[in-house]
Amino acid sequence: SYELTQPLSVSVALGQTARITCGGNNIGSKSVHWYQQKPGQAPVLVIYRDTNRPSGIPERFSGSNSGNTATLTISRAQAGDEADYYCQVWDSSGVFGGGTKLTVL
Amino acid sequence: QVQLVQSGAEMKRPGASVKVSCKASGYTFTAYYMHWVRQAPGQGLEWMAWMDPNNGGTYYAQKFQGRVTMTRDTSISTAYMELSRLRSDDAAVYYCARPNCSSTSCHFDYWGQGTLVTVSS
Repeated sequence: SYELTQPLSVSVALGQTARITCGGNNIGSKSVHWYQQKPGQAPVLVIYRDTNRPSGIPERFSGSNSGNTATLTISRAQAGDEADYYCQVWDSSGVFGGGTKLTVL
Repeated sequence: QVQLVQSGAEMKRPGASVKVSCKASGYTFTAYYMHWVRQAPGQGLEWMAWMDPNNGGTYYAQKFQGRVTMTRDTSISTAYMELSRLRSDDAAVYYCARPNCSSTSCHFDYWGQGTLVTVSS
């Protein structure tokens, strides 16, 4: 079965750029989706099909996908961006990465 | 607006079954599959299954085959997920999620609020 690997944690200074990676075998050939989850809340889609932002998601959130790594980039990080972030692909079934805790310092 | 409203928290004994409901509104219930995803305490997201509300067709992750059953009542736009023979490691928040699918990929743009299932003797 297909596996996705994320770092357990990423830290970023307030106002700087955070990058969260999602590794998978030839993941560049798949569509990658990203979710933000704050404590006690359901996940929220922030990027779909590698680079697309749903309505209402700030332009500060962007995505890329190539080779064996997909990346979620959060520019000008804010305190409100502190959350867990999950990547997801579809491989005949849903596959999620293990999640990354983003801390804004 | 699209809403998925789930049933309330459940507490079950090991070996029992739990049935969680997910009431959809704001869209045509039969036009979109329904998926279920769970999250154990302090853990990540785990995909479980999908159902086609149009005809009741289902697909379950291998890990849950034989224990999970998805059904629906189209008259009230509600999907159900029943998990049987509960174990302590089934304790989790269970989410229903509406997918948005292309020919090769699905993502989840609407989620229920989650239902906490506790399993304890």
